[in-house]
Amino acid sequence: GAGVSQTPSNKVTEKGKYVELRCDPISGHTALYWYRQSLGQGPEFLIYFQGTGAADDSGLPNDRFFAVRPEGSVSTLKIQRTERGDSAVYLCASSLGETRTDTQYFGPGTRLTVL
Amino acid sequence: AQKVTQAQTEISVVEKEDVTLDCVYETRDTTYYLFWYKQPPSGELVFLIRRNSFDEQNEISGRYSWNFQKSTSSFNFTITASQVVDSAVYFCALSESRNSNSGYALNFGKGTSLLVTP
Repeated sequence: GAGVSQTPSNKVTEKGKYVELRCDPISGHTALYWYRQSLGQGPEFLIYFQGTGAADDSGLPNDRFFAVRPEGSVSTLKIQRTERGDSAVYLCASSLGETRTDTQYFGPGTRLTVL
Repeated sequence: AQKVTQAQTEISVVEKEDVTLDCVYETRDTTYYLFWYKQPPSGELVFLIRRNSFDEQNEISGRYSWNFQKSTSSFNFTITASQVVDSAVYFCALSESRNSNSGYALNFGKGTSLLVTP
C-alpha cells in the first residue's frame, strides 16, 4: 500500500516568511510524528499526534512552530517568521498507534531552505 | 545528554567485507525499544529492525544481524558480505516514554555513514 507522503519535497523561502509543510500518513495509522533532521545529524523529535490531538509537543523549538491534524489524518507543520536556522529536512512518520510499541514509518521528507 | 551514541561517523569497506556498526544507548526506563533505520542517498528512512528490552536474543535477517547486550547497553549491527547497495547512513534509535500522554518518540544517534566500494 501507499507509504507516508510529504509535500512539497523541496521548499525555498525567504527569511521572515511563513511556510506550511504537509504530511499524509499511512491509511489507518492513528499516531503521527514530526521530526527535523539537520545536515549530518539524526532526526530530532518535534511533535506527536494521537488522533487529532497533539499529545506531546515538547520537541517544538519555539512558538514559531505549530502543527495541526484536524481530522486525525493529514497533518500540517506551520512555521512562522522563518529563520535561516530553520533550514533542515522535516520528516513525518506514522504508526498504527494501537500500542506504544508500533514501528514508525517515515516519509521522504521536505527539504526546507530559508535564504 | 546524548541518549544514543554512534561513535563511528564514517566507515569505508570493500565489497564482500563484513562490517559492524556500533550503537550504545542510555536510558533509565526498564521497558524500551531499540531500532535501526537505513537512510540511502534518496533520503527516506527505511526501517530495518525493532528490539524490545526484554528480548536479548540476537537476530539474523539475511546478511544482516544484530547483537543486543543489555549489560553493555549496546545494540550493534553487522552486515555480512557487504554490497555496494548497502552504502547509506545507518541510524540507531531508542524509544522510551517521554511522558504519560506520549507515544514513543524516537531518540536517534547521529548516524554512521557506510560506503561500500567495488
